[in-house]
Amino acid sequence: EPEVTQTPSHQVTQMGQEVILRCVPISNHLYFYWYRQILGQKVEFLVSFYNNEISEKSEIFDDQFSVERPDGSNFTLKIRSTKLEDSAMYFCASSGQGTDTQYFGPGTRLTVL
Amino acid sequence: SQKIEQNSEALNIQEGKTATLTCNYTNYSPAYLQWYRQDPGRGPVFLLLIRENEKEKRKERLKVTFDTTLKQSLFHITASQPADSATYLCALDKRQAGTALIFGKGTTLSVSS
Repeated sequence: EPEVTQTPSHQVTQMGQEVILRCVPISNHLYFYWYRQILGQKVEFLVSFYNNEISEKSEIFDDQFSVERPDGSNFTLKIRSTKLEDSAMYFCASSGQGTDTQYFGPGTRLTVL
Repeated sequence: SQKIEQNSEALNIQEGKTATLTCNYTNYSPAYLQWYRQDPGRGPVFLLLIRENEKEKRKERLKVTFDTTLKQSLFHITASQPADSATYLCALDKRQAGTALIFGKGTTLSVSS
């Protein structure tokens, strides 16, 4: 069964450093998403991406964040200058249509020291 | 503002019983509602989607109801098993293609044998 994959599974970085989290969505899906979950809290939406552009973003997704689909398979989330409060699980998701089920990857645990 | 509440943070039941989880929402009208399962340190796994014009949906031992008048969804697991122990998340759309899912905080179900 097709699934969303994410790398790395765990990323440790120093405050102020840039990180890139990578995702490979399900191959025939058109909509891509990033969510995050701070430990013990709910899953929060960051950004959605369709047709090579951002279709929606939350207040969390400020200028420090960017997304890119550099080729036909990868979808990345970049955090330019990480802060301690960016420590969280980051989930990538994809869906065939925008109003369809979103399938989530296993997540990347980001730890900012 | 839009708000989603899942009735309890934790639910403990005996194996073989039916677990019933509640999701209530206020201040908006989603086109559909989804239930996900999340195990510790893992990404949400899609279980069921129910649309606003559907009253009930079933999949094996799972049943979801959606009452748009009460603004409530009930999620049932019949003949529960210890393997059903996990956190169950309710998520709603925002009625626009390609946009966010808004998640509840989840209910952690523990099924004891």
